Amino acid sequence: KAGVTQTPRYLIKTRGQQVTLSCSPISGHRSVSWYQQTPGQGLQFLFEYFSETQRNKGNFPGRFSGRQFSNSRSEMNVSTLELGDSALYLCASSPSGVGLNEQFFGPGTRLTVL
Amino acid sequence: AQSVAQPEDQVNVAEGNPLTVKCTYSVSGNPYLFWYVQYPNRGLQFLLKYITGDNLVKGSYGFEAEFNKSQTSFHLKKPSALVSDSALYFCAVSSDGGHTDKLIFGTGTRLQVFP
Repeated sequence: KAGVTQTPRYLIKTRGQQVTLSCSPISGHRSVSWYQQTPGQGLQFLFEYFSETQRNKGNFPGRFSGRQFSNSRSEMNVSTLELGDSALYLCASSPSGVGLNEQFFGPGTRLTVL
Repeated sequence: AQSVAQPEDQVNVAEGNPLTVKCTYSVSGNPYLFWYVQYPNRGLQFLLKYITGDNLVKGSYGFEAEFNKSQTSFHLKKPSALVSDSALYFCAVSSDGGHTDKLIFGTGTRLQVFP
């Protein structure tokens, strides 16, 4: 079974631009979560989607948004990029979205904002 | 609010020696606790979890963790460290009692195993 895939793997943008990151979960998984990883703040939860519905949202400004499609693939969008948005963005999937099970993480998208 | 703390930024251990990576938690309700590992330029990989039952949980790659309710700790252990165990280790807790996949992570502990 293929693992969680994230595209692109690396991205360089300038301040003020917007960016869309994509996550394809493991086949059959219905829950997708997104995290931001930075050296200073560690791993911060962004969103969780289950069957196309956002169930949780972390403490991030409205510039961060996301969605999930009917095939469980998910995208997150960051508008009006700031230097502080430079980070590794990780997505994770699980079969049922019941938080007692292992989650499978993708390799991440490394976003650099100049 | 649920939280976990990893008091050590880095742990150094010689190959073949036992290792411990510390984690303490603060939760309301039942604690559902996890350990994940991150190798360079990779995503996180699940190691083990405590949901209920035995306080000693066994996981992947020879790792185990001991749940201690009185000390609110969930320390990761391995009897004999390998150089290949060198990585970044994260403790995490379910943010809402396991109802969703939202996890609260600790700040991470870098494990260095020296030959």
